[in-house]
Amino acid sequence: DVKVTQSSRYLVKRTGEKVFLECVQDMDHENMFWYRQDPGLGLRLIYFSYDVKMKEKGDIPEGYSVSREKKERFSLILESASTNQTSMYLCASSSSKGENIQYFGAGTRLSVL
Amino acid sequence: QKEVEQNSGPLSVPEGAIASLNCTYSDRVSQSFFWYRQYSGKSPELIMSIYSNGDKEDGRFTAQLNKASQYVSLLIRDSQPSDSATYLCAVNNYGQNFVFGPGTRLSVLP
Repeated sequence: DVKVTQSSRYLVKRTGEKVFLECVQDMDHENMFWYRQDPGLGLRLIYFSYDVKMKEKGDIPEGYSVSREKKERFSLILESASTNQTSMYLCASSSSKGENIQYFGAGTRLSVL
Repeated sequence: QKEVEQNSGPLSVPEGAIASLNCTYSDRVSQSFFWYRQYSGKSPELIMSIYSNGDKEDGRFTAQLNKASQYVSLLIRDSQPSDSATYLCAVNNYGQNFVFGPGTRLSVLP
């Protein structure tokens, strides 16, 4: 079974803090993704990566950065957290071979106070 | 802007009925289509994938694809209260990214 693990289920941070969200997958997938999900807005792509050290901006990259130093790990960084970044963050991974299905982690619910 | 549209619902059906969920997409070159189920507070999980025109059945679920009409649907037969969730339609063009629809909330009434 594919396993995508996000480091925290719930996180509470203060405005201005630097926040790291970690995601690890165990299926040797090439592709990894970070989304945020807000009521009424659906899933929005923040950043994605096709390979180690590669990153591409998604639809809403402002205020975020990412790091992919190892194939299995994809980190989302909020350089200076703001209240409008309070959201559910979902990590996903997929293989470049075969069916290209995205598998999701359990999600991190981040509250910025 | 590539778009995927779904009725937000809620769609309410009685237990045992057929639930029909619909999705339209704007990009004609879309190649792959997926249905995910998401329970409240949980992450999306894949139910079905479909790549060619026609029907694909898996247990109580049937996905239908019509590329000419840019339309994909999900039928759930013998709906159960445990099917109550939000159903997300996702579309993939060339490349690895998906475009997700906003989701349809389904409520199956006992």
